[in-house]
Amino acid sequence: EDKVVQSPLSLVVHEGDTVTLNCSYEVTNFRSLLWYKQEKKAPTFLFMLTSSGIEKKSGRLSSILDKKELFSILNITATQTGDSAVYLCAVGQGGSEKLVFGKGTKLTVNP
Amino acid sequence: GAVVSQHPSWVICKSGTSVKIECRSLDFQATTMFWYRQFPKQSLMLMATSNEGSKATYEQGVEKDKFLINHASLTLSTLTVTSAHPEDSSFYICSARGDSGRKTQYFGPGTRLLVL
Repeated sequence: EDKVVQSPLSLVVHEGDTVTLNCSYEVTNFRSLLWYKQEKKAPTFLFMLTSSGIEKKSGRLSSILDKKELFSILNITATQTGDSAVYLCAVGQGGSEKLVFGKGTKLTVNP
Repeated sequence: GAVVSQHPSWVICKSGTSVKIECRSLDFQATTMFWYRQFPKQSLMLMATSNEGSKATYEQGVEKDKFLINHASLTLSTLTVTSAHPEDSSFYICSARGDSGRKTQYFGPGTRLLVL
C-alpha cells in the first residue's frame, strides 16, 4: 500500500527558531514529491522535487529530496508567526495523476 | 496565476438534500481536476479524478452514485453530494492541474459541508 509518513505530527517553536520537517514515503512508481502549506483553508503550493540532492529554495524555506533513502525534508529558518500552519507532503506517481498525501505536520510559531 | 475557486465556501443543509459544489480554474485551463475530502486533523483523501468530457474515475470505497462529478468544460468541475447525511459532513477541496508547464495541482479554498 502506498504511504507517505510525516514527522513530527506537531511542533511548537519560538519566533526565530529553525525547524526541519520530515517526509518519508513508500510509493510505487515515484515521480515527484510536493510540499504544501495549509492554513485555514486549502493548501498552497511550496515546492516540487523530482531529483535527489538538488535543494529548492524560496526565501526562508528550503527543501531537498533523497530518492535513495525515500525521504524529503523541509527547512524553515528564522521562523515567524506567519509560518504557523499545517505542512503537507504529497507524492505523485508516474502514469497517474494522483497525489498521495501525508497527514501533515502542524507547526505553531509563538512570538 | 493558477487560481482555483470553489463555491460555496460554506454549506449547511438538512439530511436528505443534495448539495452541489463548483470548482473553477480562473486563469488557466484544466483538463483534469481532483476532488478531495478532509476530516479534522486528517490528511486530504482523494475521492475522484475528474476529466473534461469523460466520466470521473473514483477511488476505491467512494460511491459514484452518491458523489456525482461533472466536468463540463476546461474550467469547471462540479461535485454533487446526493441525499446528504450527517456522516458526509466534511471539508471538500478541489484541485486543478494545469495543462502545460509544470502541471502542478493547484487547490481551491475548499467547501465546508455540514449536514444536520
